[in-house]
Formats: sequence, C-alpha cells, structure tokens
Amino acid sequence: GENVEQHPSTLSVQEGDSAVIKCTYSDSASNYFPWYKQELGKRPQLIIDIRSNVGEKKDQRIAVTLNKTAKHFSLHITETQPEDSAVYFCAARAMNTGFQKLVFGTGTRLLVSP
Amino acid sequence: DTAVSQTPKYLVTQMGNDKSIKCEQNLGHDTMYWYKQDSKKFLKIMFSYNNKELIINETVPNRFSPKSPDKAHLNLHINSLELGDSAVYFCASSNDRGYEQYFGPGTRLTVT
Repeated sequence: GENVEQHPSTLSVQEGDSAVIKCTYSDSASNYFPWYKQELGKRPQLIIDIRSNVGEKKDQRIAVTLNKTAKHFSLHITETQPEDSAVYFCAARAMNTGFQKLVFGTGTRLLVSP
Repeated sequence: DTAVSQTPKYLVTQMGNDKSIKCEQNLGHDTMYWYKQDSKKFLKIMFSYNNKELIINETVPNRFSPKSPDKAHLNLHINSLELGDSAVYFCASSNDRGYEQYFGPGTRLTVT
C-alpha cells in the first residue's frame, strides 16, 4: 500500500525566513496531495493541495510543488510569521485499494521565532 | 454554521467501559471518515463510509464499530475500552472522490 515519508520532523526558523517541508510517496498511482496545518489542540486544516496533473500551485505565501517522476512533493512557506507555527502534515491519496483514502506523513513541527 | 462537528469534545472513562462518539457534517458530502491521532501525532484512518456504506476498514479491533444512520452522520462506538485506546479521534468528510477532506474538532478520549 501507499507509504508517505515526511522530513524534517522539526523545523525552526526565524520570522521572515522561508520554510520547506518535503514528502515522498511510494504509490505511483496516487494523484492527489493535500497539506494540512494543525495548531495545538485544534483540528487538521487543509491549507493547500495539488493534483497530479500540475507541477506547482501557489496561494499567497504558501506553495506546493510536485515531482511525479521522483514521487516527491514539497510545501514552501515564504516570509514566515509566528502564527505559522504548527504541525504540518502531507498526505497522498492512495488509489490501490479501490476506494480513495488519504495516507498521512508523520508530521513536521514548525516553530517560527519572532 | 460548523461544517463538521463532533460530540463530546472530551471523554474520560475507565477501562472496560463502552462509549460512543458522534459526528455530523452539513457540507453535503457523501463520504465520512474516522481517524485516530495518537500521542505522537500520527494520523491514521480507521473507517470510511460512502453514502452509509462501509468502504474502508483498516485493521481496527472489532471493539470499534462505526455506524452511519445517514450520509450526514457517522458515529463510533467502542466496547471494552483499553488504555491503548486513549487518543484523539477525528471525524472528517469529503466528496465521494476523496478530495478536500474537512476534519471535525476532535474528541480526546482518555482511558484510565
């Protein structure tokens, strides 16, 4: 089945710096890759997603890139702010079970220091 | 106007008890899910229902029994609770193709 690896597990940056989180997936049939942000004690919230027919998608300060050949995708946050501090999860939509399910990475704790 | 809601938010109970968690979505989605998030924050799918039909059952002990009375509701009943069941349980919903899953606020279950 699908396996998603996520790196790094923790990331500390200074306010204004950029942050990059990387994920790899194993199932070449996966075609949808969302990113979720989870603040302490809150629900995971969808912040951006990308489908396999595009290589990059941007929404203000966040962007996601996808390399289908290498089976990896990344989240880029520019001009980080303290409120970006949270745990970020990548996921891949697995297709090999006949029904769609999301397989999540293990999460990256991002800390943005003022 | 909450999109996905769950009750209760917190649940503290003793080993061996039976408890239920309820979930409701008002997004008009066809598919609902239960996820378990353990103390290390790993998010793992447990079950998925599409139009009241169970479509995903991920090697979960049969002490866990989901029920979907209609496509807007998905409940989770847990029998004979064990210490290892302590976790945060999230309900989620999406359209029937699985894109854009929206999560409920979570239920923190503590088994003592």
